[in-house]
Amino acid sequence: ILNVEQSPQSLHVQEGDSTNFTCSFPSSNFYALHWYRWETAKSPEALFVMTLNGDEKKKGRISATLNTKEGYSYLYIKGSQPEDSATYLCASISSGSARQLTFGSGTQLTVLP
Amino acid sequence: NAGVTQTPKFQVLKTGQSMTLQCAQDMNHEYMSWYRQDPGMGLRLIHYSVGAGITDQGEVPNGYNVSRSTTEDFPLRLLSAAPSQTSVYFCASSSIAMNTEAFFGQGTRLTVV
Repeated sequence: ILNVEQSPQSLHVQEGDSTNFTCSFPSSNFYALHWYRWETAKSPEALFVMTLNGDEKKKGRISATLNTKEGYSYLYIKGSQPEDSATYLCASISSGSARQLTFGSGTQLTVLP
Repeated sequence: NAGVTQTPKFQVLKTGQSMTLQCAQDMNHEYMSWYRQDPGMGLRLIHYSVGAGITDQGEVPNGYNVSRSTTEDFPLRLLSAAPSQTSVYFCASSSIAMNTEAFFGQGTRLTVV
């Protein structure tokens, strides 16, 4: 079983602030890193899937980076809006794991208007 | 395109009762999985399947059975419910390729009294 850690556990920011979260994962046998956005009373939705060291992906005001050698990924939100309030989950897949996602416990973001 | 359909959304069971959570996907995905989500913890894998007729255990399989008779359906059975199985359950499906996103059902909030 992989250990995937996310920090911080929760975060409150003001509307317009930029913020970032961290996901750390074992770097050995790494294959892929997923980020999901999970709004209350909805199902998790994929933001990014990254596989290569140095990968950077962007979707609107949200972006993510990946460092597979040291085992971490950052998720950035620029100019946070109240609709960004959600729990952000990362999950790692190791090679040879039959595609098993191991999730972190998530970062709960609240954007205050 | 319905994606992943999971039923029911809510269920209350008495200790010792049995029930089946239904999950169906219409994306022709090979990989399907069941997770449970408990407060302060990430999504934990219960069982998964890499194709029709093939199932395997995840991190927390005890007390649950699954079957995969068709590509589309992956039901989760609780044979004798226990209070420790009170949780939110998510079904997910994806391509078998590890660099593709998972699609989640709407979740089932199960309470065992």
